[in-house]
Amino acid sequence: AQSVTQLGSHVSVSEGALVLLRCNYSSSVPPYLFWYVQYPNQGLQLLLKYTTGATLVKGINGFEAEFKKSETSFHLTKPSAHMSDAAEYFCAVSDYNTGNQFYFGTGTSLTVIP
Amino acid sequence: DTGVSQDPRHKITKRGQNVTFRCDPISEHNRLYWYRQTLGQGPEFLTYFQNEAQLEKSRLLSDRFSAERPKGSFSTLEIQRTEQGDSAMYLCASSLRTGGEAEAFFGQGTRLTVV
Repeated sequence: AQSVTQLGSHVSVSEGALVLLRCNYSSSVPPYLFWYVQYPNQGLQLLLKYTTGATLVKGINGFEAEFKKSETSFHLTKPSAHMSDAAEYFCAVSDYNTGNQFYFGTGTSLTVIP
Repeated sequence: DTGVSQDPRHKITKRGQNVTFRCDPISEHNRLYWYRQTLGQGPEFLTYFQNEAQLEKSRLLSDRFSAERPKGSFSTLEIQRTEQGDSAMYLCASSLRTGGEAEAFFGQGTRLTVV
């Protein structure tokens, strides 16, 4: 069975500060990992994904994430927060065998303080 | 690529009424998913289609819920005899299933309020 844990349901950072959103996964087979962002009353937009190959993946809006198999983690970072980054962020896992669905974490709400 | 489209965006209904939502996926995508999202939670899987075949249903999907995808194009999700607990955002997503690593593209959702 697959699952995702997002530590910290709410994260606040100052504008210009580092953003770090944590995601740990559980999967019995090599995972595919995703980060999505959701703005109020909107659907989910893909930020980035890891499937195979390079473990550091870059996404849109300056975000990146690193797949660490030994830590079963896929934390999302951004060097400098912008006001427009305020949103809900979801980590999700899938895999080749059960790629029929995505398992989502409970989300982290990011607040950016001016 | 016009994205995944969902209709309506908002629906308010009285308890006990039936509602139907529509999803138009990205045209070349063969997989279509329905998820439900309640406040403060991540999306929960309901069901998915590979072309016109419904291949998996979550245990969350009670007998009052039914989904179809005729001809492998658009999909509908119907909820019969709605209950207040059905109030949620219903999200549709589609993907192009190749090697399994394809991401899902989500629509903007239909927010259902049962009063």
